[in-house]
Amino acid sequence: GESVGLHLPTLSVQEGDNSIINCAYSNSASDYFIWYKQESGKGPQFIIDIRSNMDKRQGQRVTVLLNKTVKHLSLQIAATQPGDSAVYFCATRGSNTGKLIFGQGTTLQVKP
Amino acid sequence: EAGVAQSPRYKIIEKRQSVAFWCNPISGHATLYWYQQILGQGPKLLIQFQNNGVVDDSQLPKDRFSAERLKGVDSTLKIQPAKLEDSAVYLCASSDVKGATYEQYFGPGTRLTVT
Repeated sequence: GESVGLHLPTLSVQEGDNSIINCAYSNSASDYFIWYKQESGKGPQFIIDIRSNMDKRQGQRVTVLLNKTVKHLSLQIAATQPGDSAVYFCATRGSNTGKLIFGQGTTLQVKP
Repeated sequence: EAGVAQSPRYKIIEKRQSVAFWCNPISGHATLYWYQQILGQGPKLLIQFQNNGVVDDSQLPKDRFSAERLKGVDSTLKIQPAKLEDSAVYLCASSDVKGATYEQYFGPGTRLTVT
């Protein structure tokens, strides 16, 4: 079946460093990709999205890169801050199913 | 703009009991989703409504789970009878497709513990 997975369950970075969270997906028909941030006790919060006709999209301190050849997605956070500590999920939307499939999440820990 | 509201926030029940969760989506959002999030995992879609009709309920355990959205606004999710493996956070989300985004807005979730 369709799957979405993250490469590392936990990522620990120093405050001020850049963070990179990676994600792999299996469905080559996926046409939309989205990153969510989930803080403890809260629901997932939208960070940034990208469509399959793009390979890079930038937001405020965040960049998403999409490599459709190897079915890989990454989220880059510049100048990581303590407030960035959370669990990050990537999700893909299959054009044939229309629903979001979430990965298992990477916990980002920011050390002061 | 008010976010997605859910209640209760926490619920503890014994196995074989029943439980119901309520969700009020963002005003004007036609699509409503219920997700189950087991500890340490990503959310898994249980059911998706478009207005008051079901779009996808393929992963809803229909022998014990039911959901409704009678007036196309708020929704309830029920579990009867509950099993230990139903312990999870139940998330409600809503969306209104505009342009190129399919962003879903999530509520805070209901944490269910089945003992």
